[in-house]
Amino acid sequence: EIVLTQSPTTTAASPGEKVTITCLASSSVSNMYWYQQKSGASPKLLIYSTSSLASGVPDRFSGSGSGTSYSLTINTMEAEDAATYYCQQWSSNPLTFGSGTKLEIK
Amino acid sequence: EVQLVESGGGLVKPGSSLKLSCVASGFTFSSYGMHWIRQAPKKGLEWIALIYYDSSNKYYADSVKGRFTISRDNSKNTLYLEMNSLRSEDTAMYYCAKPGSSDYWGQGVMVTVSS
Repeated sequence: EIVLTQSPTTTAASPGEKVTITCLASSSVSNMYWYQQKSGASPKLLIYSTSSLASGVPDRFSGSGSGTSYSLTINTMEAEDAATYYCQQWSSNPLTFGSGTKLEIK
Repeated sequence: EVQLVESGGGLVKPGSSLKLSCVASGFTFSSYGMHWIRQAPKKGLEWIALIYYDSSNKYYADSVKGRFTISRDNSKNTLYLEMNSLRSEDTAMYYCAKPGSSDYWGQGVMVTVSS
């Protein structure tokens, strides 16, 4: 099983600030997915295939990485971006998620 | 519009059984593998089961292997999760999902296992 380790676990950012969340995989993966989850809601896909923006997602979100190291960047933090973010891989079974990064607004 | 609608959750005692359903609409259900993913209260996302589009392959997380069974009925556009020998640690919101570039999730159904 591929273990995904996210960092930081919790962070806070001011409006307009840049935020980067990292996801390290225990083995190489070919692609990474990123989800946003707000309280009481289902996860929402932000990034697929490492760097492709899902439909309707603002372009302040971006993804990058390869091999065992991936990242999600929010270029300019907005209040509505306060949420928990998860990375996910399905390069090999089983599909696995990172443990999540809680992002708060300062 | 794509919809995944789960049902069948509730409060049950340890050792009980429960069967969840997920009705799909708005996409070609029979063409895609489907997953069950759960989330315990205040915890992260945990994948628990996958079934291929034609039911030819099924995979389970170690935490549910031997107790849970995933199945589907493509004629009814419905995904199932039969859960036996339920434990308190199975308490969670259960989502049916088709993750990927075309990404669909249900709203979730709550399962609470408590005496």
